[in-house]
Amino acid sequence: RKEVEQDPGPFNVPEGATVAFNCTYSNSASQSFFWYRQDCRKEPKLLMSVYSSGNEDGRFTAQLNRASQYISLLIRDSKLSDSATYLCVVNNWDTGNQFYFGTGTSLTVIP
Amino acid sequence: NAGVTQTPKFRVLKTGQSMTLLCAQDMNHEYMYWYRQDPGMGLRLIHYSVGEGTTAKGEVPDGYNVSRLKKQNFLLGLESAAPSQTSVYFCATRGLAGALNTGELFFGEGSRLTVL
Repeated sequence: RKEVEQDPGPFNVPEGATVAFNCTYSNSASQSFFWYRQDCRKEPKLLMSVYSSGNEDGRFTAQLNRASQYISLLIRDSKLSDSATYLCVVNNWDTGNQFYFGTGTSLTVIP
Repeated sequence: NAGVTQTPKFRVLKTGQSMTLLCAQDMNHEYMYWYRQDPGMGLRLIHYSVGEGTTAKGEVPDGYNVSRLKKQNFLLGLESAAPSQTSVYFCATRGLAGALNTGELFFGEGSRLTVL
């Protein structure tokens, strides 16, 4: 079983739409959770950390459900510039501080 | 402030050749990681280091060796390259956990390696 699994996508949405990505993780002892964004042929960059209480950064909202081992990312009012691949990332301190990446979900925002 | 720098950015090798990828960071981070990224596979950890002089195997270590002789550098070596090692390689760093540290990974720009 993979450590992190994400919606396969791709998601093609019109500008202004709301889109949600989901992610599940297998290790209940995981401590830290993140969403990274990766543009085509570029390195991943942190979009936002995910906290137990949920957190919001502008048009982006991240939620964590530890009981269900589930992470989500909501993007409101999609912009063309949001087109990218979104990576769900989980950090396990008990396995040498390794980070586990989902395969990513591709988003294309259409004019 | 360069952050995380990988060299070379592109390389074409023949099967059996050797090469070394260099990751250099000026962020004074303790942790350094080497990942490979292949279509449909996501990023997979090859080797990592939790400090100068220490290294450990990740998920896919076979065919690779690493060294961390200096805190700021993490080298990834391919002793005898194989076509299966054609990939994009990313180095990443992370500081020690703390109140001001979100645990974020900082990535280099990637190194595209093709083995013929």
